[in-house]
Amino acid sequence: GQQLNQSPQSMFIQEGEDVSMNCTSSSIFNTWLWYKQDPGEGPVLLIALYKAGELTSNGRLTAQFGITRKDSFLNISASIPSDVGIYFCAGGGSRLTFGEGTQLTVNP
Amino acid sequence: GAVVSQHPSWVICKSGTSVKIECRSLDFQATTMFWYRQFPKQSLMLMATSNEGSKATYEQGVEKDKFLINHASLTLSTLTVTSAHPEDSSFYICSASHAAGGKHEQYFGPGTRLTVT
Repeated sequence: GQQLNQSPQSMFIQEGEDVSMNCTSSSIFNTWLWYKQDPGEGPVLLIALYKAGELTSNGRLTAQFGITRKDSFLNISASIPSDVGIYFCAGGGSRLTFGEGTQLTVNP
Repeated sequence: GAVVSQHPSWVICKSGTSVKIECRSLDFQATTMFWYRQFPKQSLMLMATSNEGSKATYEQGVEKDKFLINHASLTLSTLTVTSAHPEDSSFYICSASHAAGGKHEQYFGPGTRLTVT
């Protein structure tokens, strides 16, 4: 079946630093979505990407849909303590496959 | 917009009993809803896809007679865990698919923490 490799698994950074995480797949996806999940909550949609090569921003977040349609990255600029959480990539269309998540810790 | 609610947010039940979890799309109609379970420090695992007015499609390894799904309307899907056992304890999350212009986005509920004693 389809598999997504998300890296890194965890990151420990200082407040103000930029963060980058990415996902790669063995299969082509038509859609890439990035979610953030806080403890005990459901994932919240951050950015949705629908077109190969598409670069989309949402505030301090920027995500790109890879040209090959097999990868995507998410950047967070000038991190703040509330950025702490688990970030998931998800690829697919009507049905999503999730990456394993990146646990982000931001030290004030 | 695109708000999904779940009820209850947490439930504790005794082994052998059944538990029903509701998932509602509050401000849009969702022809498709999804049910996931998530174990601590793990990713979301899709259990089943629920389409309004038809039978749910279960992922491999998920027992359809144990996890009963009903999607009676465009805004409500329910998951019933029958004859629950401690190994069914998990975080159950639903999502609703919002499609517009050929684009599909899934919006998640806040999750239900099930503990079976």
